Amino acid sequence: GESVGLHLPTLSVQEGDNSIINCAYSNSASDYFIWYKQESGKGPQFIIDIRSNMDKRQGQRVTVLLNKTVKHLSLQIAATQPGDSAVYFCAESTSGGSNYKLTFGKGTLLTVNP
Amino acid sequence: GAGVSQSPSNKVTEKGKDVELRCDPISGHTALYWYRQSLGQGLEFLIYFQGNSAPDKSGLPSDRFSAERTGGSVSTLTIQRTQQEDSAVYLCASSGGRRRETQYFGPGTRLLVL
Repeated sequence: GESVGLHLPTLSVQEGDNSIINCAYSNSASDYFIWYKQESGKGPQFIIDIRSNMDKRQGQRVTVLLNKTVKHLSLQIAATQPGDSAVYFCAESTSGGSNYKLTFGKGTLLTVNP
Repeated sequence: GAGVSQSPSNKVTEKGKDVELRCDPISGHTALYWYRQSLGQGLEFLIYFQGNSAPDKSGLPSDRFSAERTGGSVSTLTIQRTQQEDSAVYLCASSGGRRRETQYFGPGTRLLVL
């Protein structure tokens, strides 16, 4: 079936470096994408989202890029900090009415080395 | 409270027992979702509620799983005759703000079936 997947299951970076987490999706009908950060023992925390009518959206230290041509999504974290260490999930949905049920990838573990 | 709350935070039960998990969504959010996260896995959609509309139950794994949402607010997920494979983190999310597709998650209930 169609699903969202991640290229890299783990990513290790040095504090202060920029991080890029990638995600591939296969459902061409998906029109909404979202990134979550999940720390151990906690629920997913919203980071940033993007609708399919955009190709880039920026937040505080984070940028999401969407390439619909190759069905690719990425999360860029600037000046990565130890507090950014967590599992990052991408997810996608197709807006059928008001139901935005999400299909998640398996996650990427980001480790930030001081 | 300001966020989604869930109770209990942890639940240990014996195989064959019934369990009830509770979710209090963000005040004013009309949409409520339940997801399941198995160890080392991503999140799996279970059920969706929107206002007074019929819920989308397409993600429930078996007829032992059911959920209700009373008064358009609090939701309860019930698992009857629990099995060991039901052990997982059960996450609730709500949405309905200005960006109605953005889901905010609670901390989850960690269920262990012995």
